[in-house]
Amino acid sequence: NAGVTQTPKFRILKIGQSMTLQCAQDMNHNYMYWYRQDPGMGLKLIYYSVGAGITDKGEVPNGYNVSRSTTEDFPLRLELAAPSQTSVYFCASSLTDEKLFFGSGTQLSVL
Amino acid sequence: GQNIDQPTEMTATEGAIVQINCTYQTSGFNGLFWYQQHAGEAPTFLSYNVLDGLEEKGRFSSFLSRSKGYSYLLLKELQMKDSASYLCAVRARGGFKTIFGAGTRLFVKA
Repeated sequence: NAGVTQTPKFRILKIGQSMTLQCAQDMNHNYMYWYRQDPGMGLKLIYYSVGAGITDKGEVPNGYNVSRSTTEDFPLRLELAAPSQTSVYFCASSLTDEKLFFGSGTQLSVL
Repeated sequence: GQNIDQPTEMTATEGAIVQINCTYQTSGFNGLFWYQQHAGEAPTFLSYNVLDGLEEKGRFSSFLSRSKGYSYLLLKELQMKDSASYLCAVRARGGFKTIFGAGTRLFVKA
């Protein structure tokens, strides 16, 4: 079992560029989440999904979009990248309301 | 809305006991989690409390008082490898969101 897999691990973007952070889980979890973590801070919820075709906004959704076409995949799209989006991004999944399993993270810098 | 407070940093000595507190205010409550996060790594699950009381799991214990909006994580027999951030997180009732506090950085010294 790979668990939760995130790609890429590192990325540098220029202001205004777009990119997609990939997230896949092989645990057949219904719930998936995207968090961002700024240096020395806790995790802020960006978007979450409770199943294929269902997504909802978290605490800090502005500047991001998500889709959930399959149970396994939950990509996060950044349009028009801004320096404020420099952060570490974590994808997570869970079985109903149980503990979260996290991916290894994507370190993103927008310059 | 939801608000979660925990101390920013704590320092303790190897072999000692440390208690990390967390207070929360939520519009509904469906459980409280503690996660451990080593620098540069992803958070990993430590404990989950739904009902009031103490849950013990080896060197780690977690306590919850729903009426007071209060939890603590107790770490016994501290080891150097326990140096990490400890994140308190709350799941609101009727929702699927898990909201995290800012985390407490614990430094264990020899």
